[in-house]
Amino acid sequence: QQPVQSPQAVILREGEDAVINCSSSKALYSVHWYRQKHGEAPVFLMILLKGGEQKGHDKISASFNEKKQQSSLYLTASQLSYSGTYFCGTENSAAGNTPLVFGKGTRLSVIA
Amino acid sequence: KAGVTQTPRYLIKTRGQQVTLSCSPISGHRSVSWYQQTPGQGLQFLFEYFSETQRNKGNFPGRFSGRQFSNSRSEMNVSTLELGDSALYLCASSSGPTSFEQYFGPGTRLTVT
Repeated sequence: QQPVQSPQAVILREGEDAVINCSSSKALYSVHWYRQKHGEAPVFLMILLKGGEQKGHDKISASFNEKKQQSSLYLTASQLSYSGTYFCGTENSAAGNTPLVFGKGTRLSVIA
Repeated sequence: KAGVTQTPRYLIKTRGQQVTLSCSPISGHRSVSWYQQTPGQGLQFLFEYFSETQRNKGNFPGRFSGRQFSNSRSEMNVSTLELGDSALYLCASSSGPTSFEQYFGPGTRLTVT
């Protein structure tokens, strides 16, 4: 089941904050976040495992709410380099027998 | 360490033909996954191989197939190409199953005319 990402697109000015949400209709085991810049391959940002942890990566962090079956990616004090499409990928089982299913992506544009 | 490589990078085929795409994972990585990327659809999972065994398969018709060799290199094949198969095909490798961080290759841009 493909996770639902919101918003589909967002435009920010440098220095502004953004939140990207990823929701699943099924129980989550893990959530993966990737960023893809135009014309490039997706690049790994972070993985969050079941347990409601929050992770940080520079000024980009994420949370995982097991009860709500969702994860949120937080981008603070955005920089021009943050522009790209952000994808969340979800796993519903720890057994490793379910594939990583990606959402349709959120296009983030940071302008000066 | 060399990254994931995919060949060819660009391909133009005619409807009805078949195509084979190749992926060489990062040295030491045993898991290879394939994704189809089209505008607005995100990354759609095709299949995953781990140590030459297909572990998972996405919801694609049987025209899409793949395999993995003993050196972890992987190929995917699409037979009887349709216009809707035009897409960017991405391969990703990881040291373990998909629970691990995946490293994506640059992709093969397939255009079916």
